Amino acid sequence: LAKTTQPISMDSYEGQEVNITCSHNNIATNDYITWYQQFPSQGPRFIIQGYKTKVTNEVASLFIPADRKSSTLSLPRVSLSDTAVYYCLVGEWTGRRALTFGSGTRLQVQP
Amino acid sequence: TAGITQAPTSQILAAGRSMTLRCTQDMRHNAMYWYRQDLGLGLRLIHYSNTAGTTGKGEVPDGYSVSRANTDDFPLTLASAVPSQTSVYFCATASGRSNNEQFFGPGTRLTVL
Repeated sequence: LAKTTQPISMDSYEGQEVNITCSHNNIATNDYITWYQQFPSQGPRFIIQGYKTKVTNEVASLFIPADRKSSTLSLPRVSLSDTAVYYCLVGEWTGRRALTFGSGTRLQVQP
Repeated sequence: TAGITQAPTSQILAAGRSMTLRCTQDMRHNAMYWYRQDLGLGLRLIHYSNTAGTTGKGEVPDGYSVSRANTDDFPLTLASAVPSQTSVYFCATASGRSNNEQFFGPGTRLTVL
């Protein structure tokens, strides 16, 4: 399984753009990159998934360079409600190999 | 989370006792998962089921068993609870279109004394 490495914590202020980078040097050809968000006392929530280049949805953007050894989750204009733990996962589209959640990045947004 | 219910919400259990955590979904998703999350840590996969009638072991299966008799239900059983099984347990589903997009239930907080 491809191991992921991401910062333990990050701090930001309301209205700023936040970029969280995840390293996955051993990513396999069939692996997709998926990001989840988790609020305290809740289960994780799917944010975005991508394979290469850039993916954007109503919540975030995901940037993946050509070598796919890293990815960056971009949250535009964060608010206090974006304070959460963000997990980067790498796995097959079909999920035949189980996803592995690391410790995630704890994002604290200040007023 | 809409579509996935877990019961109980929380439970205190004496060591050595058995317990079944229930998970029911109404989304007709093929894949279901059980994770545990210890305080301040990420989630670890216990068992999974890609479709009704099949199950597989995850990262930390010891001390737990599962069954998948139908699409909707995926109970997790602790045969003889130990304090190290104190954790928050999350059930999740995936449609099969992309099993990387999982939907999580609200969790069960279990304390084993």
